[in-house]
Amino acid sequence: SQLAEENLWALSVHEGESVTVNCSYKTSITALQWYRQKSGEGPAQLILIRSNEREKRNGRLRATLDTSSQSSSLSITATRCEDTAVYFCATDANSAGNKLTFGIGTRVLVRP
Amino acid sequence: NTKITQSPRYLILGRANKSLECEQHLGHNAMYWYKQSAEKPPELMFLYNLKQLIRNETVPSRFIPECPDSSKLLLHISAVDPEDSAVYFCASSNQVSNERLFFGHGTKLSVL
Repeated sequence: SQLAEENLWALSVHEGESVTVNCSYKTSITALQWYRQKSGEGPAQLILIRSNEREKRNGRLRATLDTSSQSSSLSITATRCEDTAVYFCATDANSAGNKLTFGIGTRVLVRP
Repeated sequence: NTKITQSPRYLILGRANKSLECEQHLGHNAMYWYKQSAEKPPELMFLYNLKQLIRNETVPSRFIPECPDSSKLLLHISAVDPEDSAVYFCASSNQVSNERLFFGHGTKLSVL
């Protein structure tokens, strides 16, 4: 079973709109990371949010973490066409040692 | 991202043996091989720290990793199976704490 998983397979928005991707996980974690993977590229980290943090921002990106419900969200404001990508959450479950496990990913399409 | 280079970018194999190469110019101690099948998230195969193999997931024995020095990683493949068709990513991180992984562009392996 997935240690982390995003809740929607695909989302489509128009440029300038906001979009939120959600993620749930199943075990205790030390941190949760959000990665973005554009077509033909490797994943690139966007934000790391630790288990004792509730919110983290990075420019147009905002991540939240709720350890009680074991869920996280990544919001992107003022979306641009270049935000089109697959967004993964990834966790280092305490039981998994040094293994980073990726969720199944949410495909975000930003239309002009 | 030119700080982690992988070669080749594309590989088409019949029955021949082949090796994937990776080199990182970030001075990182930990290096990883991930496999990403179509429409799936990246999955960890092997993890090296300071040239020592410290994580070996359930991977067929036809995949043999090698870490000749702390900045290079190889993946030797023999007698490939159609299920091996995927993109193979090399990644690195400063430590094995998984704070942030940097991925290469990947090698797309197609098995005939």
